[in-house]
Amino acid sequence: QPVLTQSSSASASLGSSVKLTCTLSSGHSSYIIAWHQQQPGKAPRYLMKLEGSGSYNKGSGVPDRFSGSSSGADRYLTISNLQSEDEADYYCETWDGNPVFGGGTKLTVL
Amino acid sequence: EVQLVETGGGLIQSGGSLRLSCAASGFTVSSHYMSWVRQAPGKGLEWVSVIYSAGTTYYADSVRGRFTISRDDSKNTLFLQMNSLRAEDTAVYYCARQVNSMVRGVVSYYYYYMDVWGKGTTVTVSS
Repeated sequence: QPVLTQSSSASASLGSSVKLTCTLSSGHSSYIIAWHQQQPGKAPRYLMKLEGSGSYNKGSGVPDRFSGSSSGADRYLTISNLQSEDEADYYCETWDGNPVFGGGTKLTVL
Repeated sequence: EVQLVETGGGLIQSGGSLRLSCAASGFTVSSHYMSWVRQAPGKGLEWVSVIYSAGTTYYADSVRGRFTISRDDSKNTLFLQMNSLRAEDTAVYYCARQVNSMVRGVVSYYYYYMDVWGKGTTVTVSS
């Protein structure tokens, strides 16, 4: 069973960029993941699917400011030109016969 | 428009039962893998149960033997029957549609991930 590791928190200034990391456990570095955003008090929202190659496909309506990349077992979510509405929890998810979630990263926009 | 709407949550005493529903529109539930995911107050997302398009079901260890996932194809609706509820089952329960992506290699493998979420329904179990 893969384990997804995320930092518990991150912060960045309004208008800047931030790169969030989701690390797959040993032996699972080729796995596809998905990134989800959860704004305060709201349901999660699918952002993108991200492959080990770095190729990603975003969900409908996800701004161009959101992009994905990969390096080995690490999967990244980069948010450029940070806006106040980007302050949220971000979760990564993968699959091993059933869904597996990371612990989430709380992003604060300063 | 693709949409999921959960209902059935509420306040229930420990040991009681509840049945959650998730009505789908804009797509066919039986053609997709569908999951229930919950979120306890102040905590992260926790997968609860999945039903494959073929009808196979799986459960998290924390709910196995107490919860049952099912669907009614005629109503295009997903269900979660929750029995023997405990205080630690208190959470917002979300249903989610899953779609797949294949990774080609020596052995090709399908990955399923959630691309549509409902707004959730709150279950509170009082002890």
